[in-house]
Amino acid sequence: NAGVTQTPKFQVLKTGQSMTLQCAQDMNHNSMYWYRQDPGMGLRLIYYSASEGTTDKGEVPNGYNVSRLNKREFSLRLESAAPSQTSVYFCASSEVGGAPGEQYFGPGTRLTVT
Amino acid sequence: AQKITQTQPGMFVQEKEAVTLDCTYDTSDPSYGLFWYKQPSSGEMIFLIYQGSYDQQNATEGRYSLNFQKARKSANLVISASQLGDSAMYFCAMRGLAGGTSYGKLTFGQGTILTVHP
Repeated sequence: NAGVTQTPKFQVLKTGQSMTLQCAQDMNHNSMYWYRQDPGMGLRLIYYSASEGTTDKGEVPNGYNVSRLNKREFSLRLESAAPSQTSVYFCASSEVGGAPGEQYFGPGTRLTVT
Repeated sequence: AQKITQTQPGMFVQEKEAVTLDCTYDTSDPSYGLFWYKQPSSGEMIFLIYQGSYDQQNATEGRYSLNFQKARKSANLVISASQLGDSAMYFCAMRGLAGGTSYGKLTFGQGTILTVHP
């Protein structure tokens, strides 16, 4: 049981380049999330998908787009990377609504934009 | 809107003593879940404990207990008998449940760094 997987683990981009962070879960969860964590800070929600077919903005959506490709996969795209987007990105999944329990986190992607 | 506040940037505790990490929250949702996570220096997020807003009793998981005071909108984590391996960053989080505007949205606090001294 792989849980939540993220690719890549590390990435260095130049300002203006684009890239897509991939996330997949094999737990049949309805909800998926993308967070960023800056040094010494908590996780800030970028986008989330409460269920397949829906996506919503979180606290810091500017500069990002997401796609809920299917129930398993939720990708995060940076169209034109900026140094302010240097961060560690976490994907997570969970069940919602009457099904209490934990969120499952991926291992994170460490992104540096120069 | 949801908001989680952790007012203690850092806490110190002696090994084998108990420690309380504070968390207050704000939400307009009728039902919600509260979580605590541990993030060691290796970076992974480790789930510790969950409390539903509708739960009558405070949650406990081994050495972890959640002191839930709904009227005060607080969800403090109590770690009993601290161990050196408890040194880490701890995050409080909230998720909106069915019936609310924040359904499915999971929001984190700023975190508290706990250091356990031998």
